[in-house]
Amino acid sequence: GENVEQHPSTLSVQEGDSAVIKCTYSDSASNYFPWYKQELGKGPQLIIDIRSNVGEKKDQRIAVTLNKTAKHFSLHITETQPEDSAVYFCAAPSSKLTFGTGTRLQVTL
Amino acid sequence: KAGVTQTPRYLIKTRGQQVTLSCSPISGHRSVSWYQQTPGQGLQFLFEYFSETQRNKGNFPGRFSGRQFSNSRSEMNVSTLELGDSALYLCASSLELPGLANTEAFFGQGTRLTVV
Repeated sequence: GENVEQHPSTLSVQEGDSAVIKCTYSDSASNYFPWYKQELGKGPQLIIDIRSNVGEKKDQRIAVTLNKTAKHFSLHITETQPEDSAVYFCAAPSSKLTFGTGTRLQVTL
Repeated sequence: KAGVTQTPRYLIKTRGQQVTLSCSPISGHRSVSWYQQTPGQGLQFLFEYFSETQRNKGNFPGRFSGRQFSNSRSEMNVSTLELGDSALYLCASSLELPGLANTEAFFGQGTRLTVV
């Protein structure tokens, strides 16, 4: 089955700095890679996704890059703000949607 | 349009009891997946339903079961509750099976189950 590894498990950055979270996957058939943000007490919310026909996608301060050859994809958050503090999950589908173990991002003032 | 609705939001049960959780997907969505989330364990896949049929099942004991109705609403049941079943149970809805059709999955707020 699909295996998704996510790093780091925790990440602390100062406000205004950039944050990068990386994921690797095992199923070469995967071609859709969503990222979710989970705030305290809430369910995960889709924030950005990328399909395998593109290598990068950007939406304001967040971007995702994909390297299908190496089977890894990354989430980039620029100019971080306190409201970016949350747990972020990557996912890759195979027979089901498999999630990474999550990254707790803390943006400090 | 309305999002994914999970009820109840909070539950406290005693060991040995059983519990039923409900998930109403986004209108038009035919797929519902269930996940268990515990601190440090991420999102553990329970099962996935599409058009009233279970299409995939995770590595959980038979005490965990589910079903989907003709209106796509889904329920999951946990029998003979154990302390370790305390968790946030999340459901996600999508138009098609997210693993096969690469469609977006939208999560509900979850049901926080506490077993005492």
